[in-house]
Amino acid sequence: DTEVTQTPKHLVMGMTNKKSLKCEQHMGHRAMYWYKQKAKKPPELMFVYSYEKLSINESVPSRFSPECPNSSLLNLHLHALQPEDSALYLCASSPLPGGSEAFFGQGTRLTVV
Amino acid sequence: QKEVEQDPGPLSVPEGAIVSLNCTYSNSAFQYFMWYRQYSRKGPELLMYTYSSGNKEDGRFTAQVDKSSKYISLFIRDSQPSDSATYLCAMSRTGGFKTIFGAGTRLFVKA
Repeated sequence: DTEVTQTPKHLVMGMTNKKSLKCEQHMGHRAMYWYKQKAKKPPELMFVYSYEKLSINESVPSRFSPECPNSSLLNLHLHALQPEDSALYLCASSPLPGGSEAFFGQGTRLTVV
Repeated sequence: QKEVEQDPGPLSVPEGAIVSLNCTYSNSAFQYFMWYRQYSRKGPELLMYTYSSGNKEDGRFTAQVDKSSKYISLFIRDSQPSDSATYLCAMSRTGGFKTIFGAGTRLFVKA
């Protein structure tokens, strides 16, 4: 099973809303990632969790807040987003932190209105 | 100069053709090389994963890594319309948390 499950698949939120994206993997992977992808662009790294600890924050605005409750779950809390934050948000996991292949979920398509 | 260069295409080929997709890179510390396929509005799907140099084959797909030239390739034999997608090369170094992606090449296989 090489599945990374993301919910919801689609999300429309207003600029004053608070919402959360969820990601789950049961492959025993010890690294989990959040990426943002705009149309016709490659995925852009946001956060890396290694053994449930935040290892990398790519200077992401504080309106995005990641959380790793346990080794299988990853959340991304959203608050006071801007229309330019509309994108496909991808979660990924890899067996080890660094230097190994990452498996992606199908993404959450976020629209901020 | 970007760390990873990939021609965005689009690349259009007839069904049954052999497709060659390529990336060049500048960081000699990269040791792990991946190819992802991404259909429109879906997440990237890992196709091939190679450590260091050499070739790897999986069905109709062959990945090649030439570290001396800092050049990686993905070959698709007997291409099918269902292969129409964006192909992303990606690479990382040992101990590095970050995977660096190429821009992605859009491939169209015409029936």
